[in-house]
Amino acid sequence: DQQVKQNSPSLSVQEGRISILNCDYTNSMFDYFLWYKKYPAEGPTFLISISSIKDKNEDGRFTVFLNKSAKHLSLHIVPSQPGDSAVYFCAAKVWGSQGNLIFGKGTKLSVKP
Amino acid sequence: SQTIHQWPATLVQPVGSPLSLECTVEGTSNPNLYWYRQAAGRGLQLLFYSVGIGQISSEVPQNLSASRPQDRQFILSSKKLLLSDSGFYLCAWSPTGNEAFFGQGTRLTVV
Repeated sequence: DQQVKQNSPSLSVQEGRISILNCDYTNSMFDYFLWYKKYPAEGPTFLISISSIKDKNEDGRFTVFLNKSAKHLSLHIVPSQPGDSAVYFCAAKVWGSQGNLIFGKGTKLSVKP
Repeated sequence: SQTIHQWPATLVQPVGSPLSLECTVEGTSNPNLYWYRQAAGRGLQLLFYSVGIGQISSEVPQNLSASRPQDRQFILSSKKLLLSDSGFYLCAWSPTGNEAFFGQGTRLTVV
């Protein structure tokens, strides 16, 4: 049973436009959400996170939105750049756990020049 | 600044052979340490985590084991590898128990 779902395996966006990556979750005990970026044959790189007590967190071109009632979060990248092309993973942490993250299967973003 | 080292980068091992992957963290003390695996076409799955020396928790039953002999060292082992152990293994650390920071990973192919 997938607790963190990324229903779009891939997304293609034109350079300069907005990229929106989506993630849905089922566990109401998640208290922290994260986005990671991963290139092939490398470890994931932490991008941005959000606590369940907030609904938005922004860091440069990256903004994460959390809708707790819908159990949905999204990552917005504006403007998108070719170097953003990678697989993006959504992850969540259960309240009280020791940082054990539950990951979605990832969305491959392709930003075309 | 903190850095995490994981080696080797790639490994090809025959079925039934032993395994030892090592991970070390620099620039921090008493971190939480984790081993994840990414199988082909799937997300990352937590295998083991440790909150201190000698303290290991297993998330899924498997053919693998983990040990933490020193504060900043985390080792993933197997006595006899199976074909199904093939995958991309990632070590990670966390200072707060929220964000996790990953190493470069080890691509293990069991043949």
